[in-house]
Amino acid sequence: EVQLVQSGAEVKKPGESLKISCKASGFSFTSYWIGWVRQVPGRGLEWMGIIYPGDSDTRYSPSFQGQVTISADKSISTAYLQWSSLKASDTAMYYCARGNGWVPAATKFDYWGQGTLVTVSS
Amino acid sequence: QSVLTQPPSASGTPGQRVTISCSGSSSNIGSNTVNWYQQLPGTAPKLLIYSNDQRPSGVPDRFSGSKSGTSASLAISGLQSEDEADYYCAAWDGSLNGQFGGGTKLTVL
Repeated sequence: EVQLVQSGAEVKKPGESLKISCKASGFSFTSYWIGWVRQVPGRGLEWMGIIYPGDSDTRYSPSFQGQVTISADKSISTAYLQWSSLKASDTAMYYCARGNGWVPAATKFDYWGQGTLVTVSS
Repeated sequence: QSVLTQPPSASGTPGQRVTISCSGSSSNIGSNTVNWYQQLPGTAPKLLIYSNDQRPSGVPDRFSGSKSGTSASLAISGLQSEDEADYYCAAWDGSLNGQFGGGTKLTVL
Protein backbone atom coordinates (compact mmCIF):
# COMPACT_ATOMS: atom_id res chain seq x y z
CA GLU A 1 0.00 0.00 0.00
CA VAL A 2 1.36 3.38 -1.03
CA GLN A 3 1.67 5.69 1.96
CA LEU A 4 3.13 9.12 2.56
CA VAL A 5 3.31 9.95 6.26
CA GLN A 6 4.21 13.50 7.16
CA SER A 7 5.72 14.82 10.37
CA GLY A 8 3.53 16.49 12.96
CA ALA A 9 2.30 20.03 13.35
CA GLU A 10 4.84 22.70 14.19
CA VAL A 11 4.59 26.03 16.00
CA LYS A 12 7.59 28.29 15.42
CA LYS A 13 8.62 31.90 15.85
CA PRO A 14 9.59 34.22 12.99
CA GLY A 15 13.24 33.83 12.09
CA GLU A 16 13.46 30.22 13.27
CA SER A 17 14.45 27.35 11.01
CA LEU A 18 12.34 24.29 10.30
CA LYS A 19 12.54 21.01 8.41
CA ILE A 20 9.42 18.91 7.90
CA SER A 21 9.41 15.39 6.53
CA CYS A 22 7.45 13.02 4.33
CA LYS A 23 8.14 9.31 4.83
CA ALA A 24 7.27 7.13 1.84
CA SER A 25 6.43 3.44 1.79
CA GLY A 26 4.82 0.89 -0.50
CA PHE A 27 6.64 1.95 -3.68
CA SER A 28 10.12 2.47 -5.07
CA PHE A 29 11.07 5.87 -3.63
CA THR A 30 13.77 6.46 -6.22
CA SER A 31 11.46 5.87 -9.19
CA TYR A 32 8.88 8.59 -8.54
CA TRP A 33 8.87 12.33 -7.99
CA ILE A 34 7.86 13.81 -4.63
CA GLY A 35 6.19 17.20 -4.70
CA TRP A 36 5.32 19.76 -2.05
CA VAL A 37 2.14 21.83 -2.07
CA ARG A 38 1.23 24.75 0.18
CA GLN A 39 -2.28 25.67 1.29
CA VAL A 40 -2.74 28.81 3.34
CA PRO A 41 -5.83 28.49 5.57
CA GLY A 42 -8.95 29.23 3.56
CA ARG A 43 -6.99 29.55 0.31
CA GLY A 44 -6.13 27.41 -2.68
CA LEU A 45 -3.33 24.99 -3.49
CA GLU A 46 0.10 26.31 -4.48
CA TRP A 47 2.71 24.17 -6.24
CA MET A 48 6.04 24.66 -4.47
CA GLY A 49 8.47 22.24 -6.00
CA ILE A 50 9.27 18.67 -6.87
CA ILE A 51 12.24 16.33 -6.42
CA TYR A 52 13.25 13.06 -8.06
CA PRO A 53 15.02 11.15 -5.28
CA GLY A 54 16.71 8.88 -7.79
CA ASP A 55 19.05 11.63 -8.95
CA SER A 56 18.01 14.59 -6.74
CA ASP A 57 16.74 16.54 -9.76
CA THR A 58 14.74 19.35 -8.14
CA ARG A 59 12.47 21.98 -9.68
CA TYR A 60 10.98 24.93 -7.82
CA SER A 61 8.16 27.29 -8.53
CA PRO A 62 9.67 30.77 -9.03
CA SER A 63 7.46 31.89 -6.12
CA PHE A 64 9.28 29.53 -3.75
CA GLN A 65 12.77 29.41 -5.27
CA GLY A 66 15.23 30.65 -2.66
CA GLN A 67 12.56 30.62 0.06
CA VAL A 68 12.59 26.88 0.80
CA THR A 69 14.81 23.88 0.16
CA ILE A 70 13.51 20.50 -0.98
CA SER A 71 15.67 17.45 -0.39
CA ALA A 72 15.42 13.68 -0.06
CA ASP A 73 17.24 10.87 1.73
CA LYS A 74 17.05 7.73 -0.37
CA SER A 75 18.35 5.55 2.46
CA ILE A 76 15.23 6.16 4.53
CA SER A 77 12.74 6.95 1.73
CA THR A 78 12.04 10.39 3.14
CA ALA A 79 11.62 13.76 1.50
CA TYR A 80 12.06 17.07 3.27
CA LEU A 81 10.95 20.67 3.04
CA GLN A 82 12.98 23.19 4.97
CA TRP A 83 13.15 26.86 5.80
CA SER A 84 16.17 28.73 7.15
CA SER A 85 14.21 31.71 8.44
CA LEU A 86 10.46 31.43 8.82
CA LYS A 87 8.03 34.30 8.34
CA ALA A 88 4.49 34.69 9.58
CA SER A 89 3.38 34.39 5.96
CA ASP A 90 4.71 30.80 5.92
CA THR A 91 1.80 29.78 8.15
CA ALA A 92 0.01 27.11 6.13
CA MET A 93 -0.72 23.44 5.64
CA TYR A 94 1.99 21.71 3.65
CA TYR A 95 1.29 18.54 1.71
CA CYS A 96 3.71 16.16 0.10
CA ALA A 97 2.50 14.06 -2.80
CA ARG A 98 3.87 11.33 -5.05
CA GLY A 99 4.50 12.56 -8.57
CA ASN A 100 3.80 9.86 -11.12
CA GLY A 101 5.29 10.64 -14.51
CA TRP A 102 8.47 10.36 -16.55
CA VAL A 103 9.06 14.10 -16.52
CA PRO A 104 7.65 16.83 -14.28
CA ALA A 105 5.50 18.19 -17.08
CA ALA A 106 3.67 14.88 -17.34
CA THR A 107 3.48 14.21 -13.63
CA LYS A 108 0.28 13.74 -11.69
CA PHE A 109 0.13 13.72 -7.89
CA ASP A 110 -1.55 10.39 -7.34
CA TYR A 111 -0.98 9.87 -3.61
CA TRP A 112 -0.90 12.55 -0.94
CA GLY A 113 0.34 12.83 2.62
CA GLN A 114 -1.98 13.90 5.41
CA GLY A 115 -0.46 17.37 5.60
CA THR A 116 1.72 19.19 8.13
CA LEU A 117 0.36 22.37 9.67
CA VAL A 118 3.06 24.97 10.21
CA THR A 119 2.17 27.96 12.37
CA VAL A 120 4.61 30.86 12.58
CA SER A 121 3.77 33.40 15.26
CA SER A 122 5.63 35.58 17.69
CA GLN B 1 -2.54 34.91 -8.81
CA SER B 2 -2.55 31.67 -10.76
CA VAL B 3 -2.02 31.50 -14.50
CA LEU B 4 -4.79 28.89 -14.62
CA THR B 5 -8.16 30.58 -14.22
CA GLN B 6 -11.12 28.82 -12.65
CA PRO B 7 -14.48 30.22 -11.58
CA PRO B 8 -14.44 30.65 -7.79
CA SER B 9 -17.75 28.90 -7.36
CA ALA B 10 -20.21 26.57 -9.03
CA SER B 11 -23.42 24.97 -7.92
CA GLY B 12 -26.07 22.47 -8.93
CA THR B 13 -28.89 20.37 -7.60
CA PRO B 14 -28.69 16.61 -7.05
CA GLY B 15 -28.81 14.73 -10.32
CA GLN B 16 -27.75 17.73 -12.41
CA ARG B 17 -24.66 18.00 -14.60
CA VAL B 18 -22.17 20.72 -13.78
CA THR B 19 -18.99 21.78 -15.51
CA ILE B 20 -15.98 23.62 -14.16
CA SER B 21 -13.66 25.41 -16.54
CA CYS B 22 -9.93 26.00 -16.39
CA SER B 23 -8.45 28.56 -18.73
CA GLY B 24 -4.75 28.84 -19.42
CA SER B 25 -2.36 29.69 -22.22
CA SER B 26 -0.06 28.17 -24.81
CA SER B 27 2.72 27.80 -22.23
CA ASN B 28 0.68 25.60 -19.91
CA ILE B 29 -2.59 23.93 -20.97
CA GLY B 30 -1.82 24.51 -24.62
CA SER B 31 1.32 22.38 -24.46
CA ASN B 32 0.88 20.08 -21.46
CA THR B 33 -1.69 17.74 -19.98
CA VAL B 34 -4.20 18.78 -17.34
CA ASN B 35 -4.96 17.08 -14.06
CA TRP B 36 -7.90 17.69 -11.75
CA TYR B 37 -7.98 17.30 -7.98
CA GLN B 38 -10.88 17.12 -5.55
CA GLN B 39 -10.47 18.38 -2.00
CA LEU B 40 -13.22 17.49 0.42
CA PRO B 41 -13.49 19.73 3.50
CA GLY B 42 -10.69 19.13 5.97
CA THR B 43 -8.92 16.51 3.88
CA ALA B 44 -5.93 16.23 1.58
CA PRO B 45 -6.54 16.65 -2.16
CA LYS B 46 -7.29 13.57 -4.24
CA LEU B 47 -6.45 12.96 -7.90
CA LEU B 48 -9.68 12.97 -9.86
CA ILE B 49 -8.67 13.21 -13.54
CA TYR B 50 -5.21 12.94 -15.11
CA SER B 51 -3.83 13.41 -18.60
CA ASN B 52 -6.84 15.57 -19.55
CA ASP B 53 -9.47 12.84 -19.52
CA GLN B 54 -8.26 9.75 -17.65
CA ARG B 55 -9.86 8.55 -14.44
CA PRO B 56 -7.78 6.82 -11.76
CA SER B 57 -9.08 3.51 -10.54
CA GLY B 58 -11.94 4.04 -8.12
CA VAL B 59 -13.13 7.39 -9.46
CA PRO B 60 -16.75 7.12 -10.61
CA ASP B 61 -17.44 7.59 -14.31
CA ARG B 62 -19.71 10.50 -13.35
CA PHE B 63 -16.51 12.53 -13.44
CA SER B 64 -15.03 13.34 -16.82
CA GLY B 65 -12.41 15.71 -18.18
CA SER B 66 -11.70 17.31 -21.51
CA LYS B 67 -9.24 19.72 -23.04
CA SER B 68 -9.37 21.92 -26.10
CA GLY B 69 -6.61 24.32 -27.01
CA THR B 70 -5.71 26.37 -23.96
CA SER B 71 -8.75 25.41 -21.88
CA ALA B 72 -9.89 22.37 -19.97
CA SER B 73 -13.12 21.34 -18.30
CA LEU B 74 -14.25 19.01 -15.57
CA ALA B 75 -17.78 17.68 -15.84
CA ILE B 76 -19.73 16.02 -13.07
CA SER B 77 -22.94 14.28 -14.06
CA GLY B 78 -25.58 12.91 -11.70
CA LEU B 79 -24.45 15.37 -9.04
CA GLN B 80 -24.49 13.99 -5.50
CA SER B 81 -24.26 15.70 -2.14
CA GLU B 82 -20.89 14.08 -1.48
CA ASP B 83 -19.47 15.89 -4.51
CA GLU B 84 -19.54 19.13 -2.55
CA ALA B 85 -15.86 20.04 -2.44
CA ASP B 86 -13.17 22.27 -3.87
CA TYR B 87 -11.89 21.35 -7.32
CA TYR B 88 -8.51 22.34 -8.73
CA CYS B 89 -7.05 22.04 -12.19
CA ALA B 90 -3.29 21.71 -12.57
CA ALA B 91 -0.83 21.84 -15.43
CA TRP B 92 2.85 22.34 -16.07
CA ASP B 93 3.89 25.76 -17.30
CA GLY B 94 7.00 26.15 -19.42
CA SER B 95 8.17 29.18 -17.43
CA LEU B 96 6.59 28.73 -14.02
CA ASN B 97 6.83 24.94 -13.58
CA GLY B 98 3.83 23.35 -11.84
CA GLN B 99 0.67 25.38 -11.48
CA PHE B 100 -2.70 24.91 -9.82
CA GLY B 101 -5.79 26.85 -10.73
CA GLY B 102 -7.31 29.06 -8.06
CA GLY B 103 -9.90 26.41 -7.22
CA THR B 104 -13.66 26.17 -7.60
CA LYS B 105 -15.95 25.61 -4.64
CA LEU B 106 -18.81 23.35 -5.71
CA THR B 107 -22.03 23.62 -3.74
CA VAL B 108 -24.76 21.02 -4.06
CA LEU B 109 -28.03 22.84 -3.44
